Amino acid sequence: GQSLEQPSEVTAVEGAIVQINCTYQTSGFYGLSWYQQHDGGAPTFLSYNALDGLEETGRFSSFLSRSDSYGYLLLQELQMKDSASYFCAVTLDGGSQGNLIFGKGTKLSVKP
Amino acid sequence: NAGVMQNPRHLVRRRGQEARLRCSPMKGHSHVYWYRQLPEEGLKFMVYLQKENIIDESGMPKERFSAEFPKEGPSILRIQQVVRGDSAAYFCASSQLSGLAGRNQETQYFGPGTRLLVL
Repeated sequence: GQSLEQPSEVTAVEGAIVQINCTYQTSGFYGLSWYQQHDGGAPTFLSYNALDGLEETGRFSSFLSRSDSYGYLLLQELQMKDSASYFCAVTLDGGSQGNLIFGKGTKLSVKP
Repeated sequence: NAGVMQNPRHLVRRRGQEARLRCSPMKGHSHVYWYRQLPEEGLKFMVYLQKENIIDESGMPKERFSAEFPKEGPSILRIQQVVRGDSAAYFCASSQLSGLAGRNQETQYFGPGTRLLVL
């Protein structure tokens, strides 16, 4: 089976830095994506890693270690609007498996 | 608006009725994915389609559910004889694959979802 593990909830204060971890056990692996979803909203693409290392996009960075089957999303200079659920998702490699396997999400609450 | 469009945004059905959910992918995208999300859960893959072809339906229940993506028009997810357990948010995503052999990852962009409530 396929499984992605991420913490269910994280709380942080405005201006802080928070790291959301994701470990995965899947039958294949092509890349790790991160999505943000506000309550009642659609998932919004944040970042994608296919190779080991850190990808930086503004206040958000994402890291991948394929040998450890592990990645994380780093959010810096937290703002209230960052309060949302964050999902990691794996793309399995090969053939027609273009679908994403999602974790259950981490609910981030940013406090003043 | 060049984003992924879904309609209706909210759909209420009684048990036994049919639900039809529509998805228009982003302009230039020819790959569509349907996902289901229950409250407080992640998204679960249902089906992956290209124009006129179902590529992968491994996540779709064998009975009552069907999907299509015709040459013209939106992709349709159809649920026949709905039951209360079908109540969920159904999201559609689209992508434009790179076309390179063996590379099937392209960013998937999600629509706003259809929230189905079965009474």
